[in-house]
Amino acid sequence: AQKITQTQPGMFVQEKEAVTLDCTYDTSDQSYGLFWYKQPSSGEMIFLIYQGSYDEQNATEGRYSLNFQKARKSANLVISASQLGDSAMYFCAMRGGWGAQKLVFGQGTRLTINP
Amino acid sequence: EAGVTQFPSHSVIEKGQTVTLRCDPISGHDNLYWYRRVMGKEIKFLLHFVKESKQDESGMPNNRFLAERTGGTYSTLKVQPAELEDSGVYFCASSQQGAEGYNEQFFGPGTRLTVL
Repeated sequence: AQKITQTQPGMFVQEKEAVTLDCTYDTSDQSYGLFWYKQPSSGEMIFLIYQGSYDEQNATEGRYSLNFQKARKSANLVISASQLGDSAMYFCAMRGGWGAQKLVFGQGTRLTINP
Repeated sequence: EAGVTQFPSHSVIEKGQTVTLRCDPISGHDNLYWYRRVMGKEIKFLLHFVKESKQDESGMPNNRFLAERTGGTYSTLKVQPAELEDSGVYFCASSQQGAEGYNEQFFGPGTRLTVL
């Protein structure tokens, strides 16, 4: 069975600082994918970044980067130069196994950016 | 291009009543998924359609939940009869065909269901 753990229920960060949101995962699959989604107060789920288990380099998308440490089974999201609009819930998710489609989510981290 | 849409955005019903949630995926997306988030807990997978066929319904909690996708377009999720523990946010997502590698699921805004 796959499991995602996000140990930070809430985080408070000053605007313009970098922030790291933790995510660890557990799986016996060799092939899997890791995702981060953002959910602002409006409720929609916004895809941020993806990392494949066989990708050798850490994924980056603008101000978002994924610190992928395969041996430690961690996939932390790093947001550089945080902005007020980054305040939201952030979910780490995994899709695992050959041909699997469903996403397994963590409990989420509520990030608040202070001015 | 329109995103995933869900209707209604909110629904408040009494225990024992029936509610039907609707999801319209992005046009051309063969894969359609239902997830739900019960208050304070993680988002959990309910089921996955490929076109009109149920590919994986391992997350459906019990037989009070019935999902359909007639014609392989929109999908409905019916809860009958609703119980208090069914309250939560129900998300629908869709993705293009192609199971491997990066295959982003686009989520709808969710339906917030409250059972009183």
